[in-house]
Amino acid sequence: DAMVIQNPRYQVTQFGKPVTLSCSQTLNHNVMYWYQQKSSQAPKLLFHYYDKDFNNEADTPDNFQSRRPNTSFCFLDIRSPGLGDAAMYLCATSRDLWGREQYFGPGTRLTVT
Amino acid sequence: GQQLNQSPQSMFIQEGEDVSMNCTSSSIFNTWLWYKQDPGEGPVLLIALYKAGELTSNGRLTAQFGITRKDSFLNISASIPSDVGIYFCAGQDSQGAQKLVFGQGTRLTINP
Repeated sequence: DAMVIQNPRYQVTQFGKPVTLSCSQTLNHNVMYWYQQKSSQAPKLLFHYYDKDFNNEADTPDNFQSRRPNTSFCFLDIRSPGLGDAAMYLCATSRDLWGREQYFGPGTRLTVT
Repeated sequence: GQQLNQSPQSMFIQEGEDVSMNCTSSSIFNTWLWYKQDPGEGPVLLIALYKAGELTSNGRLTAQFGITRKDSFLNISASIPSDVGIYFCAGQDSQGAQKLVFGQGTRLTINP
């Protein structure tokens, strides 16, 4: 089945130690998104790629970066994680940007110690 | 930023009861999506709506795109224990913003 895969499902990192989360998709979708979700809240969009074009949300901290080396893979890099960055990180894909459904991966739960 | 008003925030029901939740926006939307999220998992798309007045079913779930294009509802009939979770509405507005706006979620709890 076509799907969105996130690895690892659980990640523990130390305060200030860089961490990378990965996402892959077999849907061949043009758009890949990264969301941050904190407990009992809706997902918050960090940025997205339309093909190779990167779009950052205005309120996404510089601490968060992303890479998309090819259609299938996208990475979220947190350069210096703080305690406030502990959250569920969700990757999603859609065929295009306009009025299309988004499909989410299972998420990576990040703990910062 | 733009927000969707989703209600109720939580529901406590008996197994077998029907459930209804809704979302409203202050602006016109072109797309309404309904997701269910289980603890520790990503949201799963339940129903997608693209036309005003559209009524779509997925098993025991039914959702409608409001005629005014500013609201949507989701109904669940004959609830079962696996319906427990958080339901999110999401939409894309007609202004062309290239992202989804999410509601705050409805947490559904079912007493057996």
